[in-house]
Amino acid sequence: SQQGEEDPQALSIQEGENATMNCSYKTSINNLQWYRQNSGRGLVHLILIRSNEREKHSGRLRVTLDTSKKSSSLLITASRAADTASYFCAPEGAGSYQLTFGKGTKLSVIP
Amino acid sequence: GAGVSQSPRYKVAKRGQDVALRCDPISGHVSLFWYQQALGQGPEFLTYFQNEAQLDKSGLPSDRFFAERPEGSVSTQKIQRTQQEDSAVYLCASSSDTLSYEQYFGPGTRLTVT
Repeated sequence: SQQGEEDPQALSIQEGENATMNCSYKTSINNLQWYRQNSGRGLVHLILIRSNEREKHSGRLRVTLDTSKKSSSLLITASRAADTASYFCAPEGAGSYQLTFGKGTKLSVIP
Repeated sequence: GAGVSQSPRYKVAKRGQDVALRCDPISGHVSLFWYQQALGQGPEFLTYFQNEAQLDKSGLPSDRFFAERPEGSVSTQKIQRTQQEDSAVYLCASSSDTLSYEQYFGPGTRLTVT
């Protein structure tokens, strides 16, 4: 299975701090995507990083990908209460149409 | 522009009833996906359409689950003879191309089987 596994399962930080979430997967990928899910906005795409990329930025988000270790990390800088949500990584296997989500990291940002 | 919409948002069915869940993808999107999300879990892939062709249905849990997209736009996920274990949120997503593109998710249909 290409399922991503997020770590930690839960993370609680103060507003303004940085949050780092990790993802591990098992086999070769075309790309890896990160999504956020909260009750207000449903599941929202954050960033896509392709297998030949090592790092990607989008606003306060920074994603890294290490294909040799089959891992990725998502860093949220200067967190806000509105960042409170579950974060999922979804590796897309080579030639596969599927995104396989893990159980996610539940992030709580305390004002 | 309009995002992915799903209806109904909530559905309560008695065990054994048939249900039909509708997905309206973003106009012009080629790819359409269905996922099932149980409480506290991530979404699990059910099936994938490229236009009207169902190219992957490997995630459908049983032959009681049937999905269609006859004209390559709106899709319907049907569940026959619902069971309690079918209770979950059913998410639909669409994408503008076939591979390696972000997916846009709808709000989901929460199905409760009593």
